Amino acid sequence: DTGVSQNPRHKITKRGQNVTFRCDPISEHNRLYWYRQTLGQGPEFLTYFQNEAQLEKSRLLSDRFSAERPKGSFSTLEIQRTEQGDSAMYLCASSLNRGRDTEAFFGQGTRLTVV
Amino acid sequence: QKEVEQDPGPLSVPEGAIVSLNCTYSNSAFQYFMWYRQYSRKGPELLMYTYSSGNKEDGRFTAQVDKSSKYISLFIRDSQPSDSATYLCAMIRWGKLQFGAGTQVVVTP
Repeated sequence: DTGVSQNPRHKITKRGQNVTFRCDPISEHNRLYWYRQTLGQGPEFLTYFQNEAQLEKSRLLSDRFSAERPKGSFSTLEIQRTEQGDSAMYLCASSLNRGRDTEAFFGQGTRLTVV
Repeated sequence: QKEVEQDPGPLSVPEGAIVSLNCTYSNSAFQYFMWYRQYSRKGPELLMYTYSSGNKEDGRFTAQVDKSSKYISLFIRDSQPSDSATYLCAMIRWGKLQFGAGTQVVVTP
């Protein structure tokens, strides 16, 4: 399977715990995005990378959220001291940008439930 | 006001009918436009990608872009019950995708 891969698919955690999600983009895609989606809403932008550089982080994102893409390939999204309001689907997407934006492909998401 | 507006529906149509979906946007800097289909508890699946005004057809799907009116549309011909899903419009500005809220479509047999 050469699509975007996200792990784990589901995560249940207690409030206050830290969680980390992983995203493996499509090979050779240099752009990687993280989005969050709650029920009945469209995906909400969190952050994105061009290769290993984090180009933008949403101002709505608290300091408890951090993302990395250390070698320009896979990425991790960490949430520290989780809160019930963090419960959502976390989506990763990747695209190829060579001077022009191209279509973005999404993974199946990681569904987080904070209890 | 949101940058991308999309009617959340639900939109219910009988099998075989044409489904018509649309989004409006406020910022003329958006250059690239996409439509995604999302089934419940799944990730969005790319249906169409366009970057110029006009029509683009792919099988039963037709995407229209009118940059002068800041309006995009998706038409689904000969709709099937398997087309029942949420349809998201998305557009890119400065490398970042901005989504509409999604329209829930129900195709009844």
